[in-house]
Amino acid sequence: GESVGLHLPTLSVQEGDNSIINCAYSNSASDYFIWYKQESGKGPQFIIDIRSNMDKRQGQRVTVLLNKTVKHLSLQIAATQPGDSAVYFCAETRSGGYNKLIFGAGTRLAVHP
Amino acid sequence: GAGVSQSPSNKVTEKGKDVELRCDPISGHTALYWYRQRLGQGLEFLIYFQGNSAPDKSGLPSDRFSAERTGESVSTLTIQRTQQEDSAVYLCASSLAGALAPQHFGDGTRLSIL
Repeated sequence: GESVGLHLPTLSVQEGDNSIINCAYSNSASDYFIWYKQESGKGPQFIIDIRSNMDKRQGQRVTVLLNKTVKHLSLQIAATQPGDSAVYFCAETRSGGYNKLIFGAGTRLAVHP
Repeated sequence: GAGVSQSPSNKVTEKGKDVELRCDPISGHTALYWYRQRLGQGLEFLIYFQGNSAPDKSGLPSDRFSAERTGESVSTLTIQRTQQEDSAVYLCASSLAGALAPQHFGDGTRLSIL
């Protein structure tokens, strides 16, 4: 089937290493941010979110950092596994009734054994 | 439970034909969104439904694109007189009402215009 992300920047890591995926967002009025994981042929899958009143939020093996000063988000994945190989997108929105998500271009994460 | 279901999963059609893409959201989700994803790119917002109404259609690329939702459930995205530039994956997402309700995505319809 069609593969998303053929022309995306790629981050290659060794299995077991930590991964950091970065994203610059565009709208200073955005106050809610989400990271999605998309495997080939699948829809985006929610990973973790963060509101603008926070700088850091942790989940299971994942941490999101938000720097509002420079409009930058990062996703840290601890002990990266082969199953983490996918395209990762950040999305931003301004919470106000509904979530019209604005997606970044995406980063492909390739995990090597 | 059942997730968001989209059909067909793949559609190949000739330039100039009309196509209809279907989305079955998660039961009880009043909000429904359509996005388009071109090869190698992120998702572009097309339209948002709250119930059967579409208060935000700002992402529809042209008047060849239309969408409707019935019964606060199934939604159909129609593209008339398809062009090669319409080739993309069309993704549907649904969520509960509320500003911070996470969106759950289907696996999309891969549309190829010959």
